[in-house]
Amino acid sequence: AQKVTQAQTEISVVEKEDVTLDCVYETRDTTYYLFWYKQPPSGELVFLIRRNSFDEQNEISGRYSWNFQKSTSSFNFTITASQVVDSAVYFCALSEYNTDKLIFGTGTRLQVFP
Amino acid sequence: DAGVTQSPTHLIKTRGQHVTLRCSPISGHKSVSWYQQVLGQGPQFIFQYYEKEERGRGNFPDRFSARQFPNYSSELNVNALLLGDSALYLCASSLGSGGHNEQFFGPGTRLTVL
Repeated sequence: AQKVTQAQTEISVVEKEDVTLDCVYETRDTTYYLFWYKQPPSGELVFLIRRNSFDEQNEISGRYSWNFQKSTSSFNFTITASQVVDSAVYFCALSEYNTDKLIFGTGTRLQVFP
Repeated sequence: DAGVTQSPTHLIKTRGQHVTLRCSPISGHKSVSWYQQVLGQGPQFIFQYYEKEERGRGNFPDRFSARQFPNYSSELNVNALLLGDSALYLCASSLGSGGHNEQFFGPGTRLTVL
């Protein structure tokens, strides 16, 4: 069975601090995709990144970076120098190759205080 | 280009009633998926339609049904509403079917069942 676990329910930081959101996944498939989405108070899910199971290269996009480690089944997300606008709920998700079905974790609420 | 649109934005119904939610995908996208997000939880997959055919179904009762039209827009129908159906219903569209496709989410329809 597939499962995504985000153990951190809520994280609070002060602006400019770095913060890492953890994601651990379970799947029996050899080909799968991992995602991170941001959900601001408005409710719309905003796509941040997709990573396939064959690409373990870490990725950096501005203040965002992702660390994918198959050995530990983890796909962690780091925000460097956090800003108030980063405050949102962040979801990690998993999908198999042949389906659009996304399996989401329970989300991590990030609050960044000025 | 317009993103995924959903209507209505908010809806209030009473137990036992029926509801229809609508979704228009991004132009050119042929796959539509529906998700239910209960407060404080991650989205749960309900259905996927691709080229007007059902490609996936989540663990939801038969009271939930959906269809996709020739223009790729979609409707989600829920019969005999229960209090537990109160949630944010999200629609996502993608170019094709399969986990490698990026899914774009709409703003959602917030359903309240009294």
